[in-house]
Amino acid sequence: QLVLTQSPSASASLGASVKLTCTLSSGHSSYAIAWHQQQPEKGPRYLMKLNSDGSHSKGDGIPDRFSGSSSGAERYLTISSLQSEDEADYYCQTWGTGIEFGGGTKLTVL
Amino acid sequence: EVQLVESGGGLVQPGGSLRLSCAASGFTVSSNYMSWVRQAPGKGLEWVSVIYSGGSTYYADSVKGRFTISRDNSKNTLYLQMNSLRAEDTAVYYCARAGYWGQGTLVTVSS
Repeated sequence: QLVLTQSPSASASLGASVKLTCTLSSGHSSYAIAWHQQQPEKGPRYLMKLNSDGSHSKGDGIPDRFSGSSSGAERYLTISSLQSEDEADYYCQTWGTGIEFGGGTKLTVL
Repeated sequence: EVQLVESGGGLVQPGGSLRLSCAASGFTVSSNYMSWVRQAPGKGLEWVSVIYSGGSTYYADSVKGRFTISRDNSKNTLYLQMNSLRAEDTAVYYCARAGYWGQGTLVTVSS
């Protein structure tokens, strides 16, 4: 069964970097994923598509501070030079027969 | 510029029906996979349904048999027909395609 697992929460200081993790279930380590950001009281925003080899393509207007990488079944979203507006929920998503979302990670910027 | 604009949400009684629309611009709906995703109050994103460019459709188990996704190529619009609505269907419903999201429309199922 295709499942995406994310830690419920993460925190990092203003100006620092943070690496969020999305783990694909067993047998699905070759799957590409997408990362989405949802700021408080707003709709989701597409950040990037991330392939199993770590290559990624970002959405319109996504700053260079956002990058993606992969290792095995793990997919990462790294945000550098954290800003207050980066405080948001981050969801990973992949494609099976339908579409699967991870549970989301709530990022707090200290 | 790609835009997705949802409409059709509102308050409906349990057992009732609603049809959501998603008007697309800047691209052709029939050439892309299009999906509906919902978010219940205080919860995460939940995929609802998808229609692929070839016309294949898939549904989450929670809505299978009650919801129907479709598109009107002449209007470049995506639809979600929702029947037999339940309280647990209360959510903001988003239309999405690769790389883009609509602003969402709120569906409230309550007596």
